[in-house]
Amino acid sequence: DIQMTQSPSSLSASVGDRVTITCRASQDISNYLAWYQQKPGKVPQLLIYAASTLHSGVPSRFSGSGSRTDFTLTISSLQPEDVATYFCQKYDSAPDTFGGGTKVEIE
Amino acid sequence: EVQLVDSGGGLVQPGGSLRLSCAASGFSFSTYWMSWVRQAPGKGLEWVANIMQDGSQKYYADSVKGRFTISRDNARNSLYLQMNSLRGEDTARYHCARVTERTETTGGTDVWGQGTTVTVSS
Repeated sequence: DIQMTQSPSSLSASVGDRVTITCRASQDISNYLAWYQQKPGKVPQLLIYAASTLHSGVPSRFSGSGSRTDFTLTISSLQPEDVATYFCQKYDSAPDTFGGGTKVEIE
Repeated sequence: EVQLVDSGGGLVQPGGSLRLSCAASGFSFSTYWMSWVRQAPGKGLEWVANIMQDGSQKYYADSVKGRFTISRDNARNSLYLQMNSLRGEDTARYHCARVTERTETTGGTDVWGQGTTVTVSS
């Protein structure tokens, strides 16, 4: 099975900073990659699908890039409401494995 | 309003069984793949199972294969997860979720239920 590895596992940044999270697949998954945001005590919310397409209603400060095995989620200007854990997920074929998550905090 | 409501969780002894349900509303349930995803306390997300629109294809995580069965009733707009031979490591909050069509330009899990908690303990 394909493994999904996220890094870092946590980060702390200041409001307004550019934040980058990476997700690496152990094999080629083309662009079948989604990103989710999970705020404390809430259910996950879809942010990005097809590696780089913003889901409806998601602020434009979020962006995704990459293909095949290496993917990136970027928050261009970190806001207090972005404090959350972010997960990537492959969906090229089952199993639809999630990455381990990246916890984002404000300094 | 598009909504998924999970139910059926509870406390069960190791080796026991439980059946989770998910009631869908506000969308054409029969036209979507559906999933179960779980999250152990303080841990990340773990995909559990998927089921095709007509129930003809089902996929499972290795950790639950042979013990869990996903099913659906499109006439009742409902998704189910039958869990047998439960273990302590199955303790988690279980969410049903709607899966969008997998293509090069679409995909992802766009609607999530609030979840139902399963605790496996003696």
